[in-house]
This record gives sequence, structure tokens and C-alpha cells, in this order.
Amino acid sequence: GAGVSQSPSNKVTEKGKDVELRCDPISGHTALYWYRQSLGQGLEFLIYFQGNSAPDKSGLPSDRFSAERTGGSVSTLTIQRTQQEDSAVYLCASSLSMDRGRGGYTFGSGTRLTVV
Amino acid sequence: KNEVEQSPQNLTAQEGEFITINCSYSVGISALHWLQQHPGGGIVSLFMLSSGKKKHGRLIATINIQEKHSSLHITASHPRDSAVYICAVLNTGNQFYFGTGTSLTVIP
Repeated sequence: GAGVSQSPSNKVTEKGKDVELRCDPISGHTALYWYRQSLGQGLEFLIYFQGNSAPDKSGLPSDRFSAERTGGSVSTLTIQRTQQEDSAVYLCASSLSMDRGRGGYTFGSGTRLTVV
Repeated sequence: KNEVEQSPQNLTAQEGEFITINCSYSVGISALHWLQQHPGGGIVSLFMLSSGKKKHGRLIATINIQEKHSSLHITASHPRDSAVYICAVLNTGNQFYFGTGTSLTVIP
């Protein structure tokens, strides 16, 4: 696609429910990143994929968070048993490669998650 | 101590002024990014650099690897430059670290 597409754009869920956030990167971008920005906070890195592989999952806030990417394209971020502290804007970005000097990133418009 | 430190945290400038935002980091990096976040949340990647200097329009980004320091300059600032500017580094382990951002307001 022309840009990074995230869905849904807004999600309100009840505490304890599971949610799934989707990111559709730019076609051909092998690297995909998930971040979140809580209200009044800076950007927090969650996880990245190079192809379908996520070498380092230590940025995920807890074991309730998981992410996968299939076919080197769409990625889903799943939050199980959501808590109020999970409320944030979840951002996805993609780039051609993780290699230095290969250009910048394109960000999606984010999914605003509110846990009530 | 944060791995990435930005200064200033807040900056107000008159239209036309030359602006500098600084970023210092403490980890070994493979790349440094400057991001721009406008009110409403949209994030734009301005620069990715690993050495030297890059220029795009009125924006200039420099990096000194030995000193672990980068600067973002805006020449002839304009009210539409008002945004939060974020420095982010990608360390050699492919982990991202973000600065807390510099909130810039350019007054007409």
C-alpha cells in the first residue's frame, strides 16, 4: 500500500478482555516496529520484526503482550486480559531494512486503545 | 539515567529564528533518528543518520559519533514547525531508545 495502515484507529475495551491490533506495512518493507505512547509519556519501543522474525521480545511490557508477523507483511499485536495501564496509542512503523543508511521510517497513524 | 537525553525540553522561538535541538546518547548505536510529532499525534521520520550531516529543506541534522551527540537545526523557523521533536537511537543490538522530546513553539 501507499502507507502504513493500522486498524482499528480507535478501540475501547473492557478491562480483562483481549484485543488485537493490526499493522499493514508498506509493501516490500522487511522491517516492522511496534511502539506505544501512553498519555503524557514519550515513545516506548515494544518489538521489531525483520521479516517474520522478532529476535528480541524484551521490550514487551508483560507476558500479556504478544506479536506475530506472517508472510513478511501484516503484523498483529495482541494484548490479553487488558489492564487500564495498557491504554495508549499503539504505533507501527516500517522500513526497507534494519540496515543503517537505508532510509527512514514510515509510521502508521496509530491505534488509540482505551481500557475502561 | 536515560540512554538518550534531549535538550531543551521546551523551546519557544520567534518566526524566522534559527533553532537547535540537541541529543546525547550513552549507548553504541547503528543509527540515530529524528522524529517529528505534531499535535494530534502523527509522527513523521525526519532523518536517519549514522555519520556526518543531512539536509532536507530548512532542516539539518548532524551527528558526532565520537562525542555521541546529534543536533537538529531548523533555519528560518515558521509556526508550522511547531511540534515535538524526538531523538531516537537504534543500538547495536537493534533495540530502540527514545528521548523524551523537545516541544517547539514558533510564534508568528
